[in-house]
Amino acid sequence: DQQVKQNSPSLSVQEGRISILNCDYTNSMFDYFLWYKKYPAEGPTFLISISSIKDKNEDGRFTVFLNKSAKHLSLHIVPSQPGDSAVYFCAANYGGSQGNLIFGKGTKLSVKP
Amino acid sequence: DAGVIQSPRHEVTEMGQEVTLRCKPISGHDYLFWYRQTMMRGLELLIYFNNNVPIDDSGMPEDRFSAKMPNASFSTLKIQPSEPRDSAVYFCASQGNDEKLFFGSGTQLSVL
Repeated sequence: DQQVKQNSPSLSVQEGRISILNCDYTNSMFDYFLWYKKYPAEGPTFLISISSIKDKNEDGRFTVFLNKSAKHLSLHIVPSQPGDSAVYFCAANYGGSQGNLIFGKGTKLSVKP
Repeated sequence: DAGVIQSPRHEVTEMGQEVTLRCKPISGHDYLFWYRQTMMRGLELLIYFNNNVPIDDSGMPEDRFSAKMPNASFSTLKIQPSEPRDSAVYFCASQGNDEKLFFGSGTQLSVL
């Protein structure tokens, strides 16, 4: 059973508009969440993270929102740029544990000029 | 630092052959992970090491898969014998003192 779910395999957005990528989780023990970005033929790279003690974290054009009661997080990209076109993975872990990050299956974002 | 280095980048082999994937983690990182990416299952953890010791290998699909970390700067993932369903991208990642993983560029494995 998937503990981290990204229900939209793909998303297409116009350049300059907002991109919203969603992620749901089932394990209430998760207390740290991360987003990774992956370009073709490269490994995933860390983008932004959020601890469960917060409900929002912002880094430039990227903002992650966490709704613990709904077990839902989202990544907002504003404004979207063609270079943001990539696969975005949501990941979670718990207990301050270094180790097993659970990943979603990813959402492929296409930003059209 | 050059980041996590994986080799080879691409591997094409025939069913039944042995395959060895290699990884050099970032210097100073205590954790090393092997992931496999497929369309069906996404990124799934196969095994991870802490200070060269295997901690959790529950993700290793079968006995045909084995992984070693003989020292802090090198790890291998071996598949023997390989099967077509093993075709995937295999990623190595390392981790230091926080939750961020640093991934290598991956090995694209095709078993014919």
